[in-house]
Amino acid sequence: QVQLQQSGPGLVKPSETLSLTCTVSGGSFTSYYWSWIRQPPGKGLEWIGYVYYSGSTDYNPSLKSRVTMSVDMSKNQFSLKVTSVTAADTAVYYCARIVRGEGMDYWGQGTLVTVSS
Amino acid sequence: EIVMTQSPATLSVPPGGRATLSCRASQSASSNLAWYQQKPGQAPRLIIYGASTRATGVPARFSGSGSVTEFTLTISSLQSEDFAVYYCQQYNDWPLTFGGGTKVEI
Repeated sequence: QVQLQQSGPGLVKPSETLSLTCTVSGGSFTSYYWSWIRQPPGKGLEWIGYVYYSGSTDYNPSLKSRVTMSVDMSKNQFSLKVTSVTAADTAVYYCARIVRGEGMDYWGQGTLVTVSS
Repeated sequence: EIVMTQSPATLSVPPGGRATLSCRASQSASSNLAWYQQKPGQAPRLIIYGASTRATGVPARFSGSGSVTEFTLTISSLQSEDFAVYYCQQYNDWPLTFGGGTKVEI
């Protein structure tokens, strides 16, 4: 059974960098797109971007200037960094696996990240 | 980007009733459309992909239809565990985009 386990701080100060990691277990890491999605409290879902197992990336234009994603195949992990955060970045952040042609079939448990001093 | 619009925002249905949820794309999404179910405090769960294919383990009371710009999720005979928020999402083009969600309540 594929599992995605998220880790990272739940509180980030304004103007600093948000960093999260997702560890994949129980399945192959290769041949998939690994994605991050966020959900502000009480609101809908926003796709942030993906990192392919090879390291190639694509980001939502709305966040592109502040987002970096990377993979560490030796640890079956992928990561998200969002720079210069503000209160508007407060959200539950999810990692997920994208299956080409099938959507996002496995999700992490979610991490509430609050931006506050 | 492809803008996804869901209606209605809230749908009140009695247990055992039928729910019909709509999703419209601002431009063609072909059949590259997924539906997700989200319960409070939980991550979304994939229930339909390819507009009409049920994901693994999803009961047959869930069905999806449509293509191009008009899509429908139907839940026949609603069970208590089906009351949740449902999101559509297109994966025909980047960036991936979600609809605003439909809350199915009693």
